[in-house]
Amino acid sequence: AQTVTQSQPEMSVQEAETVTLSCTYDTSESNYYLFWYKQPPSRQMILVIRQEAYKQQNATENRFSVNFQKAAKSFSLKISDSQLGDTAMYFCAIPSSGTYKYIFGTGTRLKVLA
Amino acid sequence: NAGVMQNPRHLVRRRGQEARLRCSPMKGHSHVYWYRQLPEEGLKFMVYLQKENIIDESGMPKERFSAEFPKEGPSILRIQQVVRGDSAAYFCASSSQRSQGTTQYFGPGTRLTVL
Repeated sequence: AQTVTQSQPEMSVQEAETVTLSCTYDTSESNYYLFWYKQPPSRQMILVIRQEAYKQQNATENRFSVNFQKAAKSFSLKISDSQLGDTAMYFCAIPSSGTYKYIFGTGTRLKVLA
Repeated sequence: NAGVMQNPRHLVRRRGQEARLRCSPMKGHSHVYWYRQLPEEGLKFMVYLQKENIIDESGMPKERFSAEFPKEGPSILRIQQVVRGDSAAYFCASSSQRSQGTTQYFGPGTRLTVL
């Protein structure tokens, strides 16, 4: 069965600093997609970034970038120049066995400190 | 271009009552997914629907839960005879296609509290 593991339940970072959230996963698929979603206190799930496994280049979206290591099955999220509005739960997700069913990790609660 | 809409945002029910949760997908999206989030956990897949069809309900409890996505109108997740363990946030997502690479866009969720 596919699994997604986020080993950091909580993290904090000073405003304007950089923080990296880790995610490891297990899959038997050769081609797949990976997603990071953000859930702020409003509880809305917001797509942050997505990565296609067959692309060697790491995805980047403004201050957000990933460090994707396919062999290690690792998909970490780096947030640069952290802002107070980045305070949220962050979830890593992967579609199950090439389907549409997302499997989510348990999340990392990030707090950005002023 | 409105995003995924869910209502109500908060729903309180007493044990034994029925809960109806509504989801309107993004414009142009015909694929709808329901997920449940228990406190301090990630989201868990419940059911996938296309217009008028349930495609996959493998994540939905066999009893008391049902879902529909009629030709006209929103998708409905219905929970009959609610129990305290049904208290959770229920999220709806929609996509333009069914493939694994297609991004699912989530609504704001409905927080169900069972007293």
